[in-house]
Amino acid sequence: QVQLQESGPGLVKPSETLSLTCTVSGGPISDFYWSWIRQPPGKGLEWIGHIYYNGSTNYNPSLKSRVSMSVDTSKKQFSLKLNSVTAADTAVYYCARINFTRYCYGGTCYIGARWFDPWGHGTLVTVSS
Amino acid sequence: DIQMTQSPSSLSASVGDRVTITCRASQNINSHLNWYQQRPGKAPKVLINVASSLQSGVPSRFSGSGSGTEFTLTISSLQPEDSATYYCQQTFSTLNFGQGTRLEIK
Repeated sequence: QVQLQESGPGLVKPSETLSLTCTVSGGPISDFYWSWIRQPPGKGLEWIGHIYYNGSTNYNPSLKSRVSMSVDTSKKQFSLKLNSVTAADTAVYYCARINFTRYCYGGTCYIGARWFDPWGHGTLVTVSS
Repeated sequence: DIQMTQSPSSLSASVGDRVTITCRASQNINSHLNWYQQRPGKAPKVLINVASSLQSGVPSRFSGSGSGTEFTLTISSLQPEDSATYYCQQTFSTLNFGQGTRLEIK
């Protein structure tokens, strides 16, 4: 059974860089997309972005200028960096695997359905001096 | 950007009730719609993908329907363990979520 575990500092100072790592166990990191999602206290879910195992990325346009993601397949880990953080970045940060279906038409293959499963337990990151 | 709007934002219902939550997309997303359940202090759990496909292990009292811009999540007979916040998510373009619907058991 695939399990994900987030790790990283729980406290980050304003204007600094938030760095988190997600470790995948019980299954492969290859052939999947991997995502970061966050949830400010008492609020809803915000998709931050995702990375394919080959390193290609897709970020939420609202965060794109501050976000970078990377993957280390040898360690079965992927990472998030969010720079220039403010108090508004205080949240529980989740990592999740993106499952997807693929269909092929006319010699080209496309991504069909996508859904997040499983999720890590989440880690609270507080931005404060 | 595609905006996802859920209604109601919160509701209270009794055990055994039929409950329906609606999710509207700001543009056509075909059937690229997932539903998640999040219990307090826990990570979200996927219930339904592609608008109506029930995930393995999810009780059959949960069902999803809709396509295009309007979708519903229905719980046919509410159980105490269904107390949670429910989120829809579109996967047609960016993978954003609705604002959530908090479901309380009376």
